[in-house]
Amino acid sequence: GESVGLHLPTLSVQEGDNSIINCAYSNSASDYFIWYKQESGKGPQFIIDIRSNMDKRQGQRVTVLLNKTVKHLSLQIAATQPGDSAVYFCAENIGYGNKLVFGAGTILRVKS
Amino acid sequence: EPEVTQTPSHQVTQMGQEVILRCVPISNHLYFYWYRQILGQKVEFLVSFYNNEISEKSEIFDDQFSVERPDGSNFTLKIRSTKLEDSAMYFCASRLRTENEKLFFGSGTQLSVL
Repeated sequence: GESVGLHLPTLSVQEGDNSIINCAYSNSASDYFIWYKQESGKGPQFIIDIRSNMDKRQGQRVTVLLNKTVKHLSLQIAATQPGDSAVYFCAENIGYGNKLVFGAGTILRVKS
Repeated sequence: EPEVTQTPSHQVTQMGQEVILRCVPISNHLYFYWYRQILGQKVEFLVSFYNNEISEKSEIFDDQFSVERPDGSNFTLKIRSTKLEDSAMYFCASRLRTENEKLFFGSGTQLSVL
């Protein structure tokens, strides 16, 4: 039967440590990827994006790594803070229709 | 910073009733989207809209769903006869132009069908 809900993987880190959240994407033709952060009761909030012609991009405290060979994306958060606690989704742009397809999400819990 | 706004934040309706969810995308954006998220699940694509017509829709977006841009600022999602399984958080999103541009999301409308 159909499951009622997904059991999201959870990453628990100590405040100040670095976090690495991983994502496997589905379509080798995807050419654009985004990481979103979603806090409880809110919409997805843009964190960082990367195009398929790059393998690394850095923002403020965040870095995204793209490995097209194994279709893997990761988000690194440096010096994780309590405000980083949220669900993190990767999303890929599939096709010319400008449609973003989201992954299942990872819960990040930051312990003070 | 400009943002996508959605109203209402919560909508409770009886099964079989029609609901309209409203969105005001960012003013200079050209592509508009509806996504939904059932509690505890991932964000799912429903429909994309560009140049006053649907660009793409998912299999979720059946004949009970419709979208409209009635004026220069609003973008609506209508569900004609709601079902229990339509209960979800519905997110509107907009994008400035072509592919490979980030999508901006609203805060969502929590729809509860009783």
